[in-house]
Amino acid sequence: NAGVMQNPRHLVRRRGQEARLRCSPMKGHSHVYWYRQLPEEGLKFMVYLQKENIIDESGMPKERFSAEFPKEGPSILRIQQVVRGDSAAYFCASSPPTGEYEQYFGPGTRLTVT
Amino acid sequence: AQRVTQPEKLLSVFKGAPVELKCNYSYSGSPELFWYVQYSRQRLQLLLRHISRESIKGFTADLNKGETSFHLKKPFAQEEDSAMYYCALLSGGSYIPTFGRGTSLIVHP
Repeated sequence: NAGVMQNPRHLVRRRGQEARLRCSPMKGHSHVYWYRQLPEEGLKFMVYLQKENIIDESGMPKERFSAEFPKEGPSILRIQQVVRGDSAAYFCASSPPTGEYEQYFGPGTRLTVT
Repeated sequence: AQRVTQPEKLLSVFKGAPVELKCNYSYSGSPELFWYVQYSRQRLQLLLRHISRESIKGFTADLNKGETSFHLKKPFAQEEDSAMYYCALLSGGSYIPTFGRGTSLIVHP
């Protein structure tokens, strides 16, 4: 089991471009979580998804950010019209469907907006 | 709303010294508390949770409900313990932990 995979690991975008971050959960996991880590801050929850459903997006900015977890393929976090303040590390975690507490984290994607 | 506070951004000790990473929480119910660790260039991983009451890599953490604390302790720090440590709280019925901002532990030789 390769663990949670995220790609790309590093992403550079100019202001106004779109950023797409991908997360492949561990095999057998159907719950995916996205977190953002700003410099000097802890992990902030963004969104919790199950296959084809957004369960909780209370931590997601209302504009420009969206997330999906299709039936097939990875979960995608999409940031439209990026701004400098979006520069951060974005982490994905997954957990199995049985309600286990433990989340398994990916290595993160570091987004830099120039 | 729950909150997790890690008051120290950085903790620097020498090898063999005791170490205590502080974590305080605010939550009105019965929380589940965890410590996660992130070694350099590695992913965040669970270190221990209060329910299991186990010692991992020599680290222990006791939940003190009176002081609403869950400090992480190790009697003799090792250089390989250098990492970022995050305290996290899971409230009843939730899948989404609340993380502290993290403490960077540096153990000098």
